[in-house]
Amino acid sequence: KAGVTQTPRYLIKTRGQQVTLSCSPISGHRSVSWYQQTPGQGLQFLFEYFSETQRNKGNFPGRFSGRQFSNSRSEMNVSTLELGDSALYLCASSWDAFGNTEAFFGQGTRLTVV
Amino acid sequence: KNQVEQSPQSLIILEGKNCTLQCNYTVSPFSNLRWYKQDTGRGPVSLTIMTFSENTKSNGRYTATLDADTKQSSLHITASQLSDSASYICVVSQDRGSTLGRLYFGRGTQLTVWP
Repeated sequence: KAGVTQTPRYLIKTRGQQVTLSCSPISGHRSVSWYQQTPGQGLQFLFEYFSETQRNKGNFPGRFSGRQFSNSRSEMNVSTLELGDSALYLCASSWDAFGNTEAFFGQGTRLTVV
Repeated sequence: KNQVEQSPQSLIILEGKNCTLQCNYTVSPFSNLRWYKQDTGRGPVSLTIMTFSENTKSNGRYTATLDADTKQSSLHITASQLSDSASYICVVSQDRGSTLGRLYFGRGTQLTVWP
């Protein structure tokens, strides 16, 4: 059974650009959630999607957005990149809402903004 | 305020020794508590999940305890190995009904095992 796949693994962008990250959940999982991880802040919740609907959202600016497709794959977009957006972005998938069932993380996308 | 606090922030132990990591939380209402292990540059991997009614759960050399009354949890690692070197993250889920389990993350304990 394939795990959670995130692409790309590494990304370097310039300030002001935008970026799209992709997450393919485990087959059959309906919930995908996204997190930003930095050394100073630890894991910060971005948002959760369940059956194509955003069910929960963290305290991030509107530059951070996401969506989920009918096959449960999810994308996260960050517009007008800032240096502080440099982080490891993780997605996790679960069969049901993340807080209620076992969740599995992908390996993450390391974003560097220069 | 809903928070999860972990201690110590970092820990160095010798291979073969035991250690205990602590997690205190103020999240309410409580749904479940999870411990994750995260190797450097990798995604977290679940070690244990405990609900209100469970006070001990083991996964190989890892044993987690939960005291829901005092809102404390610990993760005990027995006979440590070099591969145990990682960040251990405590995550508490808030019960908000059947679909919206809001999560609160600790900042993790960085464990280093020396040979």
